[in-house]
Amino acid sequence: KAGVTQTPRYLIKTRGQQVTLSCSPISGHRSVSWYQQTPGQGLQFLFEYFSETQRNKGNFPGRFSGRQFSNSRSEMNVSTLELGDSALYLCASSRAGVSYNEQFFGPGTRLTVL
Amino acid sequence: QQQVKQSPQSLIVQKGGISIINCAYENTAFDYFPWYQQFPGKGPALLIAIRPDVSEKKEGRFTISFNKSAKQFSLHIMDSQPGDSATYFCAASRGGTGANNLFFGTGTRLTVIP
Repeated sequence: KAGVTQTPRYLIKTRGQQVTLSCSPISGHRSVSWYQQTPGQGLQFLFEYFSETQRNKGNFPGRFSGRQFSNSRSEMNVSTLELGDSALYLCASSRAGVSYNEQFFGPGTRLTVL
Repeated sequence: QQQVKQSPQSLIVQKGGISIINCAYENTAFDYFPWYQQFPGKGPALLIAIRPDVSEKKEGRFTISFNKSAKQFSLHIMDSQPGDSATYFCAASRGGTGANNLFFGTGTRLTVIP
């Protein structure tokens, strides 16, 4: 069974630009969550999508947005990039949207903002 | 505000020794406590998880101890091996539709020396 895939793996952008990251969950998984990982702040929850609806949202500004498609694939978008947005962005998928299902993480997209 | 506090930040253990990582939380609504292992260049992978209705859970060399009254939980790695060298994160989440919103500790970098 293929794992969670994220594209691209690496991105370099400049301040003010916008970026779109993609995540393909494990087949059959309907929940996709996004996390930001930085050395200073660690792993922080961005948002979760389940059945094409955003169900949970972390404490990030509105520049961070996402969506989920009918095939459960998800994208996240960051507009007006800032230097502080440089991070590893991880997505995680799980089988269902409730209860204690294991979240499987992808390898992440490393975003560098210059 | 860090909802899950983790210590130590780094840990060096001899091969065959016991590695102990501790976490504490404040939010009594948390009722799912997983531990994740992350190798460089990879996303976190679930090691073991516990619900607060039990005080201990063991899987192979990995044991979670949970103290509900103290709001603390810890990971014990018995017979530590060089292959265990990685960063370990504790996490917590609420149940129901919040189950996939994981609050992570800041991570512990474990080095097991031969």
